[in-house]
Amino acid sequence: NAGVMQNPRHLVRRRGQEARLRCSPMKGHSHVYWYRQLPEEGLKFMVYLQKENIIDESGMPKERFSAEFPKEGPSILRIQQVVRGDSAAYFCASSPPGSSDNYGYTFGSGTRLTVV
Amino acid sequence: AQKVTQAQTEISVVEKEDVTLDCVYETRDTTYYLFWYKQPPSGELVFLIRRNSFDEQNEISGRYSWNFQKSTSSFNFTITASQVVDSAVYFCALRTSSSGATNKLIFGTGTLLAVQP
Repeated sequence: NAGVMQNPRHLVRRRGQEARLRCSPMKGHSHVYWYRQLPEEGLKFMVYLQKENIIDESGMPKERFSAEFPKEGPSILRIQQVVRGDSAAYFCASSPPGSSDNYGYTFGSGTRLTVV
Repeated sequence: AQKVTQAQTEISVVEKEDVTLDCVYETRDTTYYLFWYKQPPSGELVFLIRRNSFDEQNEISGRYSWNFQKSTSSFNFTITASQVVDSAVYFCALRTSSSGATNKLIFGTGTLLAVQP
């Protein structure tokens, strides 16, 4: 049973380009969370999605960032017109449905975005 | 407001020493969950433990132990007889009932543990 799969593992983008980060949840998991880890900092919640629905995007920057979790396929975190300050590690986590008392849900290995 | 404080930014010990990583949390909720995660140099996040606010029993798992004290709002983590493989950044995290259906975690800034051979 594969864990949460994130790709790419490393992504380099020039300023102004778009970055697309992918997350495939664990089998049977329909809830996905995205967190961002800036250098020397802890993880900060960005967005929580269920299939085809954004449930909580309170941690998402208001501009340039968007997330989706379609009925089929992975969840995508999209960053448009990237800037140097977007350089960070982006982690995805998933949990099964109905888990209001989850066990710290499972994180992927992260995507390290570097903006040059 | 919810907050997690890990005051120790970096700790360096020599192998076989015991080391305690501190975690202090803030919440007004009576129902909450505390977590510890390990982030080794390879970068992934490894779940270590979850504790709920109604269970103050300390836990031991091999060389790892956790001390949960509601009176001081602390959830400290001790590694006994540390090993080089324990070198990592360790994060403490909090989830409260205020998180609602979101289940979002509030992380501390982490403690970098370096175990020297």
